[in-house]
Amino acid sequence: SQKIEQNSEALNIQEGKTATLTCNYTNYSPAYLQWYRQDPGRGPVFLLLIRENEKEKRKERLKVTFDTTLKQSLFHITASQPADSATYLCALGEGSARQLTFGSGTQLTVLP
Amino acid sequence: GAGVSQSPRYKVAKRGQDVALRCDPISGHVSLFWYQQALGQGPEFLTYFQNEAQLDKSGLPSDRFFAERPEGSVSTLKIQRTQQEDSAVYLCASSLQNRGLLDEQYFGPGTRLTVT
Repeated sequence: SQKIEQNSEALNIQEGKTATLTCNYTNYSPAYLQWYRQDPGRGPVFLLLIRENEKEKRKERLKVTFDTTLKQSLFHITASQPADSATYLCALGEGSARQLTFGSGTQLTVLP
Repeated sequence: GAGVSQSPRYKVAKRGQDVALRCDPISGHVSLFWYQQALGQGPEFLTYFQNEAQLDKSGLPSDRFFAERPEGSVSTLKIQRTQQEDSAVYLCASSLQNRGLLDEQYFGPGTRLTVT
């Protein structure tokens, strides 16, 4: 069956460290993968998009990798800050389909 | 500029009532999506519009769910004869959809529906 798994429901790290979140998928062939941030009571906010033929993308303190052989994406936040505390969602897009299939999210807490 | 707005933000319905949830997408955005998000879960796709055409409704859980976007802008998600399992946050998203390009989706704040 199709499955998207994000690492442990909650991740706590110390301010200044690098947070690494994982997204593993089974029985999908995504053409691209997106990462979103969601704060309580709000809708998801787009962060990064990476295509199947790209290995890595960066934006400021954010970096995402995409390994279609391992069927995994890693999302890194360097020099983390308490303001980075939120739930992070990975989402797959397949072929020409426009809708996204989301994982259940990882709740990140950056401790001061 | 203005983002995606949804109304109402909160809705409490008695089981069996009909509800209508509204979405105002970003002006000029061609694509509009509805998702359902249960507590502690990621959003799940319900339906997708390109302008006024509903191109995919494969995620609608039953024939009690109906969505429309008659003029290609505002969209309404209607749920008839609500059941307790319909309790969730309903998210609307829009995207520009430049032809041939993959673009991000802009989400509204959601409508939290509670069926009692």
